[in-house]
Amino acid sequence: SSELTQDPAVSVALGQSVRITCQGDSLRTYYAGWYQQRPGQAPVLVIYGKNNRPSGIPDRFSGSTSGNTASLTITGAQAEDEADYYCNSRDNSGNHLVFGGGTKLTVL
Amino acid sequence: EVQLVESGGGLVQPGRSLRLSCAASGFTFDDYALHWVRQTSGKGLEWVSGISWNSGSIGYAESVKGRFTISRDNAKNSLYLQMNSLRAEDTALYYCARDVNPNILTGLDGFDIWGQGTMVTVSS
Repeated sequence: SSELTQDPAVSVALGQSVRITCQGDSLRTYYAGWYQQRPGQAPVLVIYGKNNRPSGIPDRFSGSTSGNTASLTITGAQAEDEADYYCNSRDNSGNHLVFGGGTKLTVL
Repeated sequence: EVQLVESGGGLVQPGRSLRLSCAASGFTFDDYALHWVRQTSGKGLEWVSGISWNSGSIGYAESVKGRFTISRDNAKNSLYLQMNSLRAEDTALYYCARDVNPNILTGLDGFDIWGQGTMVTVSS
């Protein structure tokens, strides 16, 4: 099992805000990256570091960390945001990178 | 266009070897660290290995350490993964991914460019 824990599924009404979380002891020390993956496609980086968005990522995506929990917030979810979301960071040893198990986001 | 294109996947018997390649274009290759990430069918992502811009820093997941070797050729804009002693549990779609940094394990980790992946199936 992953050292980063995510809820398997989350749903949100169209236009509402949603927070997807990632828990792990390593998050007290290291930032999380967040990836969006639509079916049949490669992952896309949406947030990394403290709250950095790569070019082309809408500003409705934001990241934060509190204690051992990193969060990805989508403010005003759109239909195209329906996807799997993965966090990644270090494992508890700090020597390897790991991914969370992923959260399936459904936009209702 | 910034692009990563993987190749070399296929069907291989347990215990055999396979070498994956990743060809990069559209960016200055030796400005970035690179990684291999795999995904089993319908399941999550697993980091496999990463290499810094100058090959000075390399890391492996425990599940592949001692069996897989990552390397890069900056003159050829190419990344490689030599996979030996393959097991059924290595069956996955293997992605090549670019780090936002020149070094791995910086604490500001993020993979901003991904290829479309190459499928590796280990079966007798």
